[in-house]
Amino acid sequence: QQPVQSPQAVILREGEDAVINCSSSKALYSVHWYRQKHGEAPVFLMILLKGGEQKGHEKISASFNEKKQQSSLYLTASQLSYSGTYFCGTTIRGSQGNLIFGKGTKLSVKP
Amino acid sequence: ETGVTQSPTHLIKTRGQQVTLRCSSQSGHNTVSWYQQALGQGPQFIFQYYREEENGRGNFPPRFSGLQFPNYSSELNVNALELDDSALYLCASSLVDRAYGYTFGSGTRLTVV
Repeated sequence: QQPVQSPQAVILREGEDAVINCSSSKALYSVHWYRQKHGEAPVFLMILLKGGEQKGHEKISASFNEKKQQSSLYLTASQLSYSGTYFCGTTIRGSQGNLIFGKGTKLSVKP
Repeated sequence: ETGVTQSPTHLIKTRGQQVTLRCSSQSGHNTVSWYQQALGQGPQFIFQYYREEENGRGNFPPRFSGLQFPNYSSELNVNALELDDSALYLCASSLVDRAYGYTFGSGTRLTVV
C-alpha cells in the first residue's frame, strides 16, 4: 500500500529543474506532497484529488494521473530553499483518512 | 491560528517501560494522526483518531494505543518499549472528509535504551 517514489535522491544546481514521481498499486483517492527539512516537521505543499488535476505553488507544481495511479511533482528554476526531502502521501478509496507516505526523495540544491 | 504542538520534545526511556506522548491539534482541526519516523525514512502511519475513536490503523502492534479528547487533543501510549521503538513520533491534525493537507507538529524524539 505504500507508494513508491523515484528517484531516491537528486542533486541540482540552483536554477535547474527536477521531477519527482510517486506511484501506487492501489486506486487512489488523493495524493499529498510534503517537504521536510532536516530536523523539522514535514510541511504541506499541495493536495491533488482528481485525475488529470494539476496544481501550482510558486515554482512548484504537481499532476495526478488517476488512471495510472501516478503523481509527479515538478520543481522549476530550483532555489537553495528547495533543498529537503520530499514525500508523497496517498489515500486510497475506502480509507480516505489514512495518509500513507512513500520513502521520500532527497533533493539537494547547490549554488 | 495555532499550529500543532507536541510534548515532550525529547524523551529517554528504558526497554520495557511505558511512555505517553501528547499532541494538541491545530485550531479548527478535528482529526489527529500519529506517525513514527525512523532516521532517513518516511513517516509510518500508526493510527488516526476522529470523534474520539480510532479511524484507521497501520501495521503496528496493540501495545501502541491512543486517545483523542473532546478538545481534539490526543495521546499516544506505547507499552513494553523495545529498542526498535526509538524514533521521531509525529502528530498531524487535519479535517476529516475534506481535501485539506495535514499540519504536523515538530515531533517527540524517543530514545529507548
